[in-house]
Amino acid sequence: SQTIHQWPATLVQPVGSPLSLECTVEGTSNPNLYWYRQAAGRGLQLLFYSIGIDQISSEVPQNLSASRPQDRQFILSSKKLLLSDSGFYLCAWSRDRGYEQYFGPGTRLTVT
Amino acid sequence: EDQVTQSPEALRLQEGESSSLNCSYTVSGLRGLFWYRQDPGKGPEFLFTLYSAGEEKEKERLKATLTKKESFLHITAPKPEDSATYLCAVQETSGSRLTFGEGTQLTVNP
Repeated sequence: SQTIHQWPATLVQPVGSPLSLECTVEGTSNPNLYWYRQAAGRGLQLLFYSIGIDQISSEVPQNLSASRPQDRQFILSSKKLLLSDSGFYLCAWSRDRGYEQYFGPGTRLTVT
Repeated sequence: EDQVTQSPEALRLQEGESSSLNCSYTVSGLRGLFWYRQDPGKGPEFLFTLYSAGEEKEKERLKATLTKKESFLHITAPKPEDSATYLCAVQETSGSRLTFGEGTQLTVNP
């Protein structure tokens, strides 16, 4: 069966510091991968999606970036965090377009 | 631009009191409509995918239905463990992205 991991689970970082969140998927190959952010009590906002290695689309222009160094690894990064980057970050995977997405446990990021 | 509106924002039920959650959507062409359940502090858990008007899916006390403009999530005789936020999302035929609604927070009291 497929599983998706995210780490860290929680993170407190000062404004201006760098960020690296990691997501890995097991039990499948060539998945579509997604990064979402969820503000408190709100719906999910798609940040990035990837249909393959080095194939990443950005949905929202901001100070975040994403990379996919391996088939089942997706990384969300920032060089300098802003207060507005605080939120719940979720990674998801799907078999292909049109299929359901499965979410990881999430990372709670607080920028102070 | 795709739009998804869920209502009500919050719903309180007594155990055993059946009700429905609504998800209305606007898309140029619907590839699929998805329902998720999210517990506090956790990632959303996939429940159902609906692809065409008239389609229905069931899982335990939950049944999802789809029309050309909206979807309903019917909860029959709910239990306290059904308390969660229920999210609806749509995917249009030309894209990969899911557009999510803001969710309905359901509380079932014993």
